[in-house]
Amino acid sequence: EAQVTQNPRYLITVTGKKLTVTCSQNMNHEYMSWYRQDPGLGLRQIYYSMNVEVTDKGDVPEGYKVSRKEKRNFPLILESPSPNQTSLYFCASSFSGVYNEQFFGPGTRLTVL
Amino acid sequence: SQQGEEDPQALSIQEGENATMNCSYKTSINNLQWYRQNSGRGLVHLILIRSNEREKHSGRLRVTLDTSKKSSSLLITASRAADTASYFCAPSGAGSYQLTFGKGTKLSVIP
Repeated sequence: EAQVTQNPRYLITVTGKKLTVTCSQNMNHEYMSWYRQDPGLGLRQIYYSMNVEVTDKGDVPEGYKVSRKEKRNFPLILESPSPNQTSLYFCASSFSGVYNEQFFGPGTRLTVL
Repeated sequence: SQQGEEDPQALSIQEGENATMNCSYKTSINNLQWYRQNSGRGLVHLILIRSNEREKHSGRLRVTLDTSKKSSSLLITASRAADTASYFCAPSGAGSYQLTFGKGTKLSVIP
């Protein structure tokens, strides 16, 4: 089944404890991206990747890192999480860029205490 | 990146009625996409309309695009309780690498 998977789906952690949210797609997509969704603010893009080894900042990249070593994986790294990073995170992928249908993962609900 | 703005923010209708939501944007686009999000879940692509198209249909969905007014509308006909969700538009212009979503229209369909 064609899909985007994210792990973990739920995570409660404490301030400063490094964490990684994994994202994987099995559709051979070139483009991948991360969003966060907060009440009243909608979805905001954190980082995107046009292809392997090519990543760029979205609208809210502060406090996050990403890497794209393989085409299928696009992990989101929080080196030192803070409470303002408590949010619902979505990974998405598409065949090639933003002119195509985006496929979204199921989301990761992160709480930073 | 270009962001669409959905209107109204919330809409409540009875099952069987039609629901119309609108999207406005600021600069010229290549295409515009509509997505649906059920509560707390990932967005699901509904329809993509290109800048040279004026109308597109998919099942009970009808999307129109007016590039002169920089606006699009999504019509859901004969709504069902299962259509209860938030709906987002995402316009993209030439050379875009980012897809930006607005705050969405929250549709409630009452059985």
